[in-house]
Amino acid sequence: GENVEQHPSTLSVQEGDSAVIKCTYSDSASNYFPWYKQELGKGPQLIIDIRSNVGEKKDQRIAVTLNKTAKHFSLHITETQPEDSAVYFCAAPRMEYGNKLVFGSGTILRVKS
Amino acid sequence: ETGVTQSPTHLIKTRGQQVTLRCSSQSGHNTVSWYQQALGQGPQFIFQYYREEENGRGNFPPRFSGLQFPNYSSELNVNALELDDSALYLCASSWGRGWQDTEAFFGQGTRLTVV
Repeated sequence: GENVEQHPSTLSVQEGDSAVIKCTYSDSASNYFPWYKQELGKGPQLIIDIRSNVGEKKDQRIAVTLNKTAKHFSLHITETQPEDSAVYFCAAPRMEYGNKLVFGSGTILRVKS
Repeated sequence: ETGVTQSPTHLIKTRGQQVTLRCSSQSGHNTVSWYQQALGQGPQFIFQYYREEENGRGNFPPRFSGLQFPNYSSELNVNALELDDSALYLCASSWGRGWQDTEAFFGQGTRLTVV
């Protein structure tokens, strides 16, 4: 998606290893950064989000870090499991659309057992 | 389960036809956003409805239109269908005008194929 760049496009890890997905955004007014997981044939599911007043948020094996100065945020998944295999999307609000979400292009995560 | 339901789940239409997709928002939510997701891409914002009024629109032509009802359910209408309109159409339900106030929940989507 425009103004939100996501890398890598595909990521393969061994079960138990960590996975990191990174996103950069352009709108300095953005203040909310969610991550979604999308499994085949389903809609995106919100897995974690962070607001601009904090630098890091953790929920069990999932964490998100935010660097507002550099305008980038990252998703960290530790101790990956086969059920973590899915497409992951980052998103950020874009003021041009009245503060609606703009999504990254997605990362296909494959966890090999 | 998010409580957001979309219908139909799949649809095949012919180029030039018109289509209506439907979304029931989660209980307590008053905002519905529609997204188009082409194969292998991220969702693209179409428009949002807040308390029955349009509250922002992305870069989509006027033949994409919508409606929100008093119960906050919503419809997406697409006229003069083109082959490039083939995609997964997603509806997201939330409370309030901005994403910073609340999280949004997506439905399972409607897969539209234009032939």
